Amino acid sequence: EPEVTQTPSHQVTQMGQEVILRCVPISNHLYFYWYRQILGQKVEFLVSFYNNEISEKSEIFDDQFSVERPDGSNFTLKIRSTKLEDSAMYFCASRVAGVYNEQFFGPGTRLTVL
Amino acid sequence: GQSLEQPSEVTAVEGAIVQINCTYQTSGFYGLSWYQQHDGGAPTFLSYNALDGLEETGRFSSFLSRSDSYGYLLLQELQMKDSASYFCAVKGDSGGYQKVTFGIGTKLQVIP
Repeated sequence: EPEVTQTPSHQVTQMGQEVILRCVPISNHLYFYWYRQILGQKVEFLVSFYNNEISEKSEIFDDQFSVERPDGSNFTLKIRSTKLEDSAMYFCASRVAGVYNEQFFGPGTRLTVL
Repeated sequence: GQSLEQPSEVTAVEGAIVQINCTYQTSGFYGLSWYQQHDGGAPTFLSYNALDGLEETGRFSSFLSRSDSYGYLLLQELQMKDSASYFCAVKGDSGGYQKVTFGIGTKLQVIP
C-alpha cells in the first residue's frame, strides 16, 4: 500500500541553524501539506502546496519557513534559523484532487532544537 | 479567527457507543474533518463532512450541522484499539487564505 515517507525520523540541531525536512508524498497525489505538533499539544496546520505554489498557510508559517518541490517526488520544509520553540513533530501529508479528500499523513520528523 | 471546542477526555466501556462533540467558530466554512491519533503516531483521517447530515464508515460515523456550527464523531462497538486521541478540524477562510484549524483533541480511553 502506498504511503507518505519522511526523513529523517529525528533531527537534532543547534538554535540558529537551518534545517530541511524531507517528505515523499504518495505518487499520484497533487496536494501537499505540512503540520506540526508540539509535544502534548494539538496538531497545527502550517502550509499547503498545489501546482508548485503555496495555496494556504497559517500565521505560524512566517518568513523563517519555506517549502519546495525540487523534483517530481520530494516535498521539503526549510526552517532558515531555528528557534527553541520550533522543537516539535513535523508531519507531511498529501491527498488526491477533489473535494478535500482523505489526507494521508507521514510518520513525522521529530525536530529538537538545542 | 477560527476556534474549536471538544472535550479533553472521554472514557467508555468496550462494546459501547461513544459520541465526541465538536463546536467550531470560523468564517467561510468549507468542512469539518475528524482524525485519530494513537500515542506517538501520525494522525489518521477518519471522515470529512461538508454538508449537513450523517456520514457512516463502518463503526465510525460523523455528523454535521452547519447552522449550529456543531459536529460529532460516533464510535460504535468500541474496541480496546480505539483508545486514542480524536481531533476535529475545521477548514475555513482566514486572512485571504483557506486555513485548517485542529481542535485540542479528545483523549478516548476504552476500558474492559
